[in-house]
Amino acid sequence: SYELTQPPSVSVSPGQTASITCSGDKLGDKYVYWYQQKPGQSPVLVIFQDDKRPSGIPERFSGSNSGNTATLTISGTQAMDEADYYCQTWDSRTVVFGGGTKLTVL
Amino acid sequence: QVTLKESGPVLVKPTETLTLTCTVSGFSLSNARMGVSWIRQPPGKALEWLAHIFSNDEKSSNTSLKSRLTISKDTSKSQVVLTMTNLDPMDTATYYCARINHFVVGVYAFDIWGQGTVVTVSS
Repeated sequence: SYELTQPPSVSVSPGQTASITCSGDKLGDKYVYWYQQKPGQSPVLVIFQDDKRPSGIPERFSGSNSGNTATLTISGTQAMDEADYYCQTWDSRTVVFGGGTKLTVL
Repeated sequence: QVTLKESGPVLVKPTETLTLTCTVSGFSLSNARMGVSWIRQPPGKALEWLAHIFSNDEKSSNTSLKSRLTISKDTSKSQVVLTMTNLDPMDTATYYCARINHFVVGVYAFDIWGQGTVVTVSS
């Protein structure tokens, strides 16, 4: 079965750029989606179709996908961005989530 | 306003069957661009996709759980129902339903999520 691999944790200083990676075999051939989940809350879609932001998502969130790696980039990271982030893709009409990355803003 | 709301038992005994209902509003389950999925999250762990169903009744389930899962919908009631058989304490989790939005060809995103419902499996 298809697998997505994320680093368990990423740390960033306020105002700096955070990059969270998601790896999978030929992931660049698929579309990748990113979800933000804050403690005690439901996930929120922040990036779809590799690099598109839903309405209401700040411009500091961006995405890319090429080769075997997709990346979620948060520019000018704010304290409110501290959360768990999950990448997701589709494989043969089934859904695969990555293991999640805890972003710490310190 | 689009909303999804999960409902079901809070506590289930091992070996019993779990039935969860997702009631949607603000969109129709007959909308060709929409589907609904169930996703769960054990305490402190990652999201795990369970199953989904689309307006044309196309369904798919997690292969590791396939024999235990059944998903169905009642369009007139705006409900999607998930049943999971032979529950185990490892099935203790928050269960979410989420809308699948078919943005464009080949693009399906979980754009709206319910608040989740906590299910504990214990004797």
